[in-house]
Amino acid sequence: DTAVSQTPKYLVTQMGNDKSIKCEQNLGHDTMYWYKQDSKKFLKIMFSYNNKELIINETVPNRFSPKSPDKAHLNLHINSLELGDSAVYFCASSHPPDRGSSGNTIYFGEGSWLTVV
Amino acid sequence: KQEVTQIPAALSVPEGENLVLNCSFTDSAIYNLQWFRQDPGKGLTSLLLIQSSQREQTSGRLNASLDKSSGRSTLYIAASQPGDSATYLCAVRNDYKLSFGAGTTVTVRA
Repeated sequence: DTAVSQTPKYLVTQMGNDKSIKCEQNLGHDTMYWYKQDSKKFLKIMFSYNNKELIINETVPNRFSPKSPDKAHLNLHINSLELGDSAVYFCASSHPPDRGSSGNTIYFGEGSWLTVV
Repeated sequence: KQEVTQIPAALSVPEGENLVLNCSFTDSAIYNLQWFRQDPGKGLTSLLLIQSSQREQTSGRLNASLDKSSGRSTLYIAASQPGDSATYLCAVRNDYKLSFGAGTTVTVRA
């Protein structure tokens, strides 16, 4: 069973369209994330959710709207797609941080390759 | 703001040689540090996780050390093989955020 699964894996779309990427985890984690890997392969956090609540929004344009219907899902909706949105988007999940406990591995999905033409 | 730096950016070695990959970070108040491997066109595979209270972690030919006070971690890969060719990413966790370095791309020549 895939721990963190994303769909679709590949997406080619035209500028101005609206698209969604879905993410589901079956690890029982409370915390989920979206990361963007740009053309230079640098990974940068976009959003972090804990128990369906937004914790981090890393200055992402308003065109990107995450939605967490439950703790196991964190979907990413993108409005009015631009050429610069072309990238690989990774979903991830983990237990929440707790200074009193040992560290926890963050598990990543396989990525969604978005190409805007 | 956490800044993570990986040196070198690229490394090419003959098969059998040991690999040493370096990672430095600016904010030492971390929960843990993870090393990942990424193959071209693929996702991230977690290699090792070092908790903030640990000094090192080992898995097979891989050994990672952590010096939190100086903001440094090193990944050692013993007796490298062509299959070790990939990009290796260091990531540090602060609260709900994992900050990545730009990676070290390793090529092991047969």
